[in-house]
Amino acid sequence: GAGVSQSPRYKVAKRGQDVALRCDPISGHVSLFWYQQALGQGPEFLTYFQNEAQLDKSGLPSDRFFAERPEGSVSTLKIQRTQQEDSAVYLCASSARHDYGYTFGSGTRLTVV
Amino acid sequence: TQLLEQSPQFLSIQEGENLTVYCNSSSVFSSLQWYRQEPGEGPVLLVTVVTGGEVKKLKRLTFQFGDARKDSSLHITAAQPGDTGLYLCAGGPGAGKSTFGDGTTLTVKP
Repeated sequence: GAGVSQSPRYKVAKRGQDVALRCDPISGHVSLFWYQQALGQGPEFLTYFQNEAQLDKSGLPSDRFFAERPEGSVSTLKIQRTQQEDSAVYLCASSARHDYGYTFGSGTRLTVV
Repeated sequence: TQLLEQSPQFLSIQEGENLTVYCNSSSVFSSLQWYRQEPGEGPVLLVTVVTGGEVKKLKRLTFQFGDARKDSSLHITAAQPGDTGLYLCAGGPGAGKSTFGDGTTLTVKP
């Protein structure tokens, strides 16, 4: 596609529910990143894929967070047993060459109630 | 851990004024990016700078990368209401990922 597509745009989850957030990157972009953005703050790194390989998951806040990119294109970020502190905007970005900047999607705003 | 500090945190000016926002770090970055983010949207890449001392211009926006590649500035000439948004700097890569500052929220009043 022409840009990075994320779905859903908005998700309300009850505390304890599992959620899955989808990212469809720009076709041909090798690198894919997930970031978390809290209100009033800059994006914080969660995890990074190069093709289907997850090269860095050091930013995932807990073992409730899991990301995959099985065929090297679409990626899914899964959060198990959601908690209120998981409420944030989750941004996906892709890049043909990560040191030249990213193309971000519009994000998924997750609200845990 | 590489940290980026942006200043000022908030800036409110009148249309037509000039402004400069700053991005500083104690770490050296191989490249630095500036993004603009509008409410409800993801950040949009404005520019990447890679060489110490580099200056890039994008219409009324001028970006400078410090000689030591630890800091950067964004200067806007004759600001317009359409320039309103959150300006983020990001440095990297650190093993593939970029580190973002918390941004400067710019409001340009007509």
